[in-house]
Amino acid sequence: GENVEQHPSTLSVQEGDSAVIKCTYSDSASNYFPWYKQELGKGPQLIIDIRSNVGEKKDQRIAVTLNKTAKHFSLHITETQPEDSAVYFCAAREEDMRFGAGTRLTVKP
Amino acid sequence: DAGVIQSPRHEVTEMGQEVTLRCKPISGHDYLFWYRQTMMRGLELLIYFNNNVPIDDSGMPEDRFSAKMPNASFSTLKIQPSEPRDSAVYFCASTGTASNEQFFGPGTRLTVL
Repeated sequence: GENVEQHPSTLSVQEGDSAVIKCTYSDSASNYFPWYKQELGKGPQLIIDIRSNVGEKKDQRIAVTLNKTAKHFSLHITETQPEDSAVYFCAAREEDMRFGAGTRLTVKP
Repeated sequence: DAGVIQSPRHEVTEMGQEVTLRCKPISGHDYLFWYRQTMMRGLELLIYFNNNVPIDDSGMPEDRFSAKMPNASFSTLKIQPSEPRDSAVYFCASTGTASNEQFFGPGTRLTVL
């Protein structure tokens, strides 16, 4: 089955800096790669996703890149704000969704 | 739409008791997923349904866990008997066939003493 690895497990940045979270997956048949943000006491919420026929996708301050050959994808957050502080999960889906272990992002004001 | 609804939001029970978690997916969604989240193991898929039929239950940890979906608007996850190691946050999520985005409920925090 699919195995998703996520790094780093914790990330601390200054407000205004960029944050990058990286994930690798094992199943080359995976074709959908979402990123979820989970705030304390809430369920994960989708923030951006990318499909296997696209190499990059951007939505305001958030972007995701996908390298299918290397089987890795990354989340980029620019101009970080304190409200970006949360746990971020990557996932890969072929038959079902497999999640990475999560990255706790802290944005210091 | 109210989103995915889960109840209860918090459950505290004693070891050996039966626990039933409930989920109402978003209307029109054909897929329903049950996840368990712990600090040690992260977010784990337990089971998912398509059109009320269980498709993959390989993530269900043991026979003490069972899940049902009697109709398109309701699912339960039952643990009998419960054990302290079952303490976790349990999430339900749903998605439609035309989209891969999974919408998560707020979760049920289960504590087994």
